[in-house]
Amino acid sequence: SQELEQSPQSLIVQEGKNLTINCTSSKTLYGLYWYKQKYGEGLIFLMMLQKGGEEKSHEKITAKLDEKKQQSSLHITASQPSHAGIYLCGAPGNAGNMLTFGGGTRLMVKP
Amino acid sequence: DAGITQSPRHKVTETGTPVTLRCHQTENHRYMYWYRQDPGHGLRLIHYSYGVKDTDKGEVSDGYSVSRSKTEDFLLTLESATSSQTSVYFCAISRQGTEAFFGQGTRLTVV
Repeated sequence: SQELEQSPQSLIVQEGKNLTINCTSSKTLYGLYWYKQKYGEGLIFLMMLQKGGEEKSHEKITAKLDEKKQQSSLHITASQPSHAGIYLCGAPGNAGNMLTFGGGTRLMVKP
Repeated sequence: DAGITQSPRHKVTETGTPVTLRCHQTENHRYMYWYRQDPGHGLRLIHYSYGVKDTDKGEVSDGYSVSRSKTEDFLLTLESATSSQTSVYFCAISRQGTEAFFGQGTRLTVV
């Protein structure tokens, strides 16, 4: 079965700093989804990547899927306290019609 | 926001009692999912549905059953709750089976 590993597991950055979160798959990715979860709340869909080399941006968050489609990175530029939360990557599971998730990266941004 | 409502949002129950969690959607999406989220384990799929009366097991289905008699409702039942089922439960919906939108979660405590 496909496994997704996220790194780092947790991250504390000073406001204004850039940061990168990685998601590595044990198998080729046929889609990669990034979600953000605020503490105690549900998951908010951020972006979906499907093609090798694809890059998408939303406000100050950029996600890429590498050419070999086994790793994705999420980059936040000039971090703000509003970026704090848990970031999760998800990918279609074995049957293709469900998502399996990485363990999450807990981000804290210090003002 | 996707129209997903989970109820109840919080519940405390005693070991051995039956518990039913409800997920209601207004988006007419085909796929519905139940996940649980636990520290150290991330999000794990319990059961999912790909249509009315069509359901399948996820990776942690033991002790849980589901029913979907209408497109809009997906019920998760713990027949006899155990302390190991204390968790936060998330419902998700998807139109095509991959990009998923999540509810706000139900925090269940089994004492």
